[in-house]
Amino acid sequence: AQKITQTQPGMFVQEKEAVTLDCTYDTSDPSYGLFWYKQPSSGEMIFLIYQGSYDQQNATEGRYSLNFQKARKSANLVISASQLGDSAMYFCAMREGRDDKIIFGKGTRLHILP
Amino acid sequence: DSGVTQTPKHLITATGQRVTLRCSPRSGDLSVYWYQQSLDQGLQFLIQYYNGEERAKGNILERFSAQQFPDLHSELNLSSLELGDSALYFCASSVDGTGFSGNTIYFGEGSWLTVV
Repeated sequence: AQKITQTQPGMFVQEKEAVTLDCTYDTSDPSYGLFWYKQPSSGEMIFLIYQGSYDQQNATEGRYSLNFQKARKSANLVISASQLGDSAMYFCAMREGRDDKIIFGKGTRLHILP
Repeated sequence: DSGVTQTPKHLITATGQRVTLRCSPRSGDLSVYWYQQSLDQGLQFLIQYYNGEERAKGNILERFSAQQFPDLHSELNLSSLELGDSALYFCASSVDGTGFSGNTIYFGEGSWLTVV
């Protein structure tokens, strides 16, 4: 069974608009971490934001915020005021407390339109 | 710059050959991970080492092997290469391998392998 689901294979958004990238996850471990990574066309994998399962507040990092809804097992990434440089592949990932590796969703390709 | 260094960045080799990919983790990180990213399989976890010892194994083929050296750098060896092994291979590192979910894994820029 898929542990990380990203239902949007691709999205087109106008520059300066806010973007929400969806991610749902599945785990029975009470301790887990959720991550978002950005992969531009050059290929590198860039860490964006982290949310722990016990964190009370939604994580924020600059223009990135994570909308964490624990009961729904959802961890959506919100990018405010999108920029052309935000065009990339975005991966949601999870690390369970009993495990060390991170498992990834299939990604969402985001296109920012001028 | 994540601080994780991978070499080579690009590699083209023939089927049946053997290659070695090298990774230097971020300073202070004890755990090294290898991932394979291909178009049809997405990002697949291959193997993890922690302080020189194998910690976890994922979908790693028997033709592939890895090790982590005392200076903590790691190598991924790919042998008897097939066309389907063409992929982007990532090395990543984190502070430790205790299972604490907060330890972010930082990725290198990847090694693009093309098998012809």
